Amino acid sequence: QVQLRESGPGLVKPSQTLFLTCTVSGDSISSGDHYWSWIRQPAGKGLEWIGRGYTSGTTNYNPSLTSRVTISVDTSKNQFFLKLTSVTAADTAVYYCARDEIGYGKCFDPWGQGTLVTVSS
Amino acid sequence: QSVLTQPPSVSGAPGQRVTISCTGSSSNIGTGYDVHWYQQLPGTAPKLLIYDNTNRPSGVPDRFSGSKSGTSASLAITGLQAEDEADYYCQSYDSRLSGSVFGGGTKLTVL
Repeated sequence: QVQLRESGPGLVKPSQTLFLTCTVSGDSISSGDHYWSWIRQPAGKGLEWIGRGYTSGTTNYNPSLTSRVTISVDTSKNQFFLKLTSVTAADTAVYYCARDEIGYGKCFDPWGQGTLVTVSS
Repeated sequence: QSVLTQPPSVSGAPGQRVTISCTGSSSNIGTGYDVHWYQQLPGTAPKLLIYDNTNRPSGVPDRFSGSKSGTSASLAITGLQAEDEADYYCQSYDSRLSGSVFGGGTKLTVL
């Protein structure tokens, strides 16, 4: 059974950098069979795809966030990461990591349980 | 404003059938990209409900079905149950934005 789990600080100050880790179990990131994505959801609002990474280092980002986002993969630890710079209150959200199929517009399955990140001084 | 448009809310009585629409455009659903549906129960992460327009993952009841035509897709739920009360999201790919996109979500209330 594939499981994903997000971890990281729950509180980040405005203008600082948000860094989250997603730890994968039950599947190997190095197999190259999937992309690995980050998705966020502000309280009471809908889902927003942030971007995805692949074992080769290939990445794809949401154009609205591309100047501030970096997604990377560590196959030795079976983890992938999200870095979001210059955060503001608008970045306050539950952040999910998810497995993404190879190709464009494929489904996300499974998802992590999510981690709440609050941007506040 | 979401690239994919869903009604904010739908409702139905137990046992009834409801449908949730997902309207896109020529740069996403209309191009032929697949549509996927997720169910998000209160306080939990989204769960894949329908993938590639019409397919159900193992464990999803056949009361849930998906369809796609032109620039739109639909999720149908028959034999409504109280446990179906949740938010539902559609997802596809947009070639103009070069990325995955979601609908704004639909809250299903079981009366």
